[in-house]
Amino acid sequence: DVKVTQSSRYLVKRTGEKVFLECVQDMDHENMFWYRQDPGLGLRLIYFSYDVKMKEKGDIPEGYSVSREKKERFSLILESASTNQTSMYLCASSPRQGGAQETQYFGPGTRLLVL
Amino acid sequence: SQQGEEDPQALSIQEGENATMNCSYKTSINNLQWYRQNSGRGLVHLILIRSNEREKHSGRLRVTLDTSKKSSSLLITASRAADTASYFCATDSGGSNYKLTFGKGTLLTVNP
Repeated sequence: DVKVTQSSRYLVKRTGEKVFLECVQDMDHENMFWYRQDPGLGLRLIYFSYDVKMKEKGDIPEGYSVSREKKERFSLILESASTNQTSMYLCASSPRQGGAQETQYFGPGTRLLVL
Repeated sequence: SQQGEEDPQALSIQEGENATMNCSYKTSINNLQWYRQNSGRGLVHLILIRSNEREKHSGRLRVTLDTSKKSSSLLITASRAADTASYFCATDSGGSNYKLTFGKGTLLTVNP
């Protein structure tokens, strides 16, 4: 079974703090993704990576950066947390099979509260 | 903008009844997927249907795809209380792209 783990289930940070959210997958997947989920807005893609050291902006990258130094690990960084970044953050991974998108496997999510 | 939009936003049924959720999308796709999310948890993949398929089954799930209408439906038969969750459709962009776009979901409540 594919396993995607996220470093924290719940996180409370102060405005202005630098926040690291870590995601690790154990299935040697090439693609990894970070989403945020907010009530009424569904899932929105922040960043994704299709290879080590490669990253592409998603739909809402502002205020975020990412790092992928190893294939199994994809980190989301909030350089200076703000209250509007309070949200549920979901990490996902998928294998690269052809060019089309295949099944994504999700972690349990990190619920971040910025005070 | 959202590629997939689910309908209805919320659905409440009794255990044993069937539940049908619909998804509409805007542009051509390679495949369409359905995911389930239990409250406060990550998403779990349910089923993938490719653009050249019209219907697919998996256990109590039946998915249809009508590319001419750009729509899909998810049918859950003989529902159980454990089926209570949010259900999302997700579509790709139709090209060689690794991104999925998710709808806002249908919240299904199955009452015992």
